Amino acid sequence: DAGVIQSPRHEVTEMGQEVTLRCKPISGHDYLFWYRQTMMRGLELLIYFNNNVPIDDSGMPEDRFSAKMPNASFSTLKIQPSEPRDSAVYFCASRFSFGRNEQFFGPGTRLTVL
Amino acid sequence: GDSVTQMEGPVTLSEEAFLTINCTYTATGYPSLFWYVQYPGEGLQLLLKATKADDKGSNKGFEATYRKETTSFHLEKGSVQVSDSAVYFCALKGGDSGYSTLTFGKGTMLLVSP
Repeated sequence: DAGVIQSPRHEVTEMGQEVTLRCKPISGHDYLFWYRQTMMRGLELLIYFNNNVPIDDSGMPEDRFSAKMPNASFSTLKIQPSEPRDSAVYFCASRFSFGRNEQFFGPGTRLTVL
Repeated sequence: GDSVTQMEGPVTLSEEAFLTINCTYTATGYPSLFWYVQYPGEGLQLLLKATKADDKGSNKGFEATYRKETTSFHLEKGSVQVSDSAVYFCALKGGDSGYSTLTFGKGTMLLVSP
């Protein structure tokens, strides 16, 4: 299995631009998570989905952030408009409901907003 | 709510030294406990886990024992290598609900010198 796939791996953009981060979970996993990692705040859970349905988005910092999961194999995290304080590494993770319950992380997208 | 506290880093050791990274938790019920490792430029990956009191998780020479009486899950390794340099995260997953998510500590950076 290819693992959790994220794209792009690096994104540099200017303040005010729209940014879209993409994630492909491991096939068969029914949970998908979006995290943000910064030096100041550590690892934060932004939102997670179960069977493509958003379950908890209380970690989304503000309305500029939105996430979708149109099908079981694809999710996006969008920031519009982006701000310099959004600069961080964004991770996607997935897991299966049953069995070992291990959560698998993607390699992350490093976002820099100038 | 659930929380995880781990020692602040960086922890700096020479190769072959003994490693301990402390982790304590607060949770209701009977959580599962995890250690994740993040190598530079990569996502988090599961290192070991324990699902009930007195369980010992082990992997790659690392060990941690689930101590309910002290609410701790300290990570240990008898002889560290340069390749162990990474950030280590303690985490818990509370409750039996599939909707329960991982709660992470802030991470502890380990630097091992030759």
